[in-house]
Amino acid sequence: DIVMTQSPDSLAVSLGERATVRCKSSQSLLYTANNKNYLAWYQQKPGQPPKLLISWASTRESGVPDRFSGSGSGTDFALTISSLQAEDVAVYYCQQYYSNPPCTFGQGTKLEIK
Amino acid sequence: QVQLVESGGGVVQPGRSLRLSCAASGFNFSNYAMHWVRQAPGKGLEWVAVISYEGINKDYVDSVRGRFTISRDNSKNTLYLEMNRLRAEDTAVYFCAKEGQEILDDYYFDCWGQGALVTVSS
Repeated sequence: DIVMTQSPDSLAVSLGERATVRCKSSQSLLYTANNKNYLAWYQQKPGQPPKLLISWASTRESGVPDRFSGSGSGTDFALTISSLQAEDVAVYYCQQYYSNPPCTFGQGTKLEIK
Repeated sequence: QVQLVESGGGVVQPGRSLRLSCAASGFNFSNYAMHWVRQAPGKGLEWVAVISYEGINKDYVDSVRGRFTISRDNSKNTLYLEMNRLRAEDTAVYFCAKEGQEILDDYYFDCWGQGALVTVSS
């Protein structure tokens, strides 16, 4: 199984500042035949189900604010929130879907306001 | 809008069985693979099972294979998870989740239900 490792485990950022969550996979998630990275990012607020933010490493879902962006390729990826808002407090998970089953998730990064 | 609503959770003794249901609406259910994903209390996410759009192909995480069965009724827009020989480590919130792309089973999830809590305890 592909192991997904996120860093840091928790992060405190001031309102309006940039927040970056990193995700590293134990093998490449880039499928060279279509040049796509099989990586998704989810946001989970307390008491709620996860919400898909980004698929294919950098494709933002409809309705997701443009302050959220995904980047990276191969084994190293990042989720960046360009200007942190109070409603962004949540746990963020990366997930690989390159090698299934099983798809696998990172351990989560808890984002708080400083 | 797309909606997934789980039911059937509860407290069950080790070794017993439970069946979860997930009622889908707002999309063409029969065109999408569907998944179950679980989250133990205070823990991260773990994919559990998948069923193809037509219900023919199924697969499971190793820890539940042989004990859990995923199924669907496309005429009722409903997904199921039959859980047998339950163990304490199966205690979790179980989410049904919709595949992100029609027909394919790429294993990313663009819609999740609110979840059903299953507690396995004597």
